[in-house]
Amino acid sequence: QSALTQPRSVSGSPGQSVTITCTGTSSDVGYYNYVSWYRQNPGKAPNLVIYDVTKRPSGVPDRFSGSKSGNTASLTISGLQAEDEADYYCCSYAGTYTLVFGGGTKVTVL
Amino acid sequence: EVQLVESGGGLVQPGRSLRLSCAASGFTFDDYAMHWVRQDPRKGLEWVSSISWNSVSIAYADSVKGRFTISRDNAKNSLYLQMDSLRVEDTALYYCAKDMSYDSSGGSLDFWGQGTLVTVSP
Repeated sequence: QSALTQPRSVSGSPGQSVTITCTGTSSDVGYYNYVSWYRQNPGKAPNLVIYDVTKRPSGVPDRFSGSKSGNTASLTISGLQAEDEADYYCCSYAGTYTLVFGGGTKVTVL
Repeated sequence: EVQLVESGGGLVQPGRSLRLSCAASGFTFDDYAMHWVRQDPRKGLEWVSSISWNSVSIAYADSVKGRFTISRDNAKNSLYLQMDSLRVEDTALYYCAKDMSYDSSGGSLDFWGQGTLVTVSP
């Protein structure tokens, strides 16, 4: 159960796109199409923004999109807005009802 | 409106026990799997444990296996985490979270509580 690997931070100007990567192994990200992404604002609980690699819960803007290639999943935020500044975590199903999270990425809007 | 309210956290000495509770409302509790996820204030999220809708499928992170026990009472719309042999490294904010499926086979957590703080210190 090793944590998934995410960059510590990414940044972009308003209107730009940023992509956060999430690298796992062939036993989690690479094997299952069950990657989810969570946004967490300071002092708040996480919120689901992407599930099943590419799906958006209702209420999440279509500026948020997910994808996967091999053992790496990605979250792209297009048309970056000031309100997107937060910590983002990926999570993958790892079999036998277990989950593994990434270390988190701080998104800064310049 | 879905609500998850955790309770039971506090300050405890290493080696002692604590039982966390999560009261759920606003959805059909026994239709969904549930999870505990913790977060050290200085670090990221760590999945702790999951339980299916009928308590048949249960899983634990290696870091807590053999010390923590997850359970649920569907009649009371409640989730629990019995934490024994607590260690300093168990200090964290513990969140209760609802899965989108009945058996946590996908691990998409669509609602989270606000967390209850557990501090393990001599």
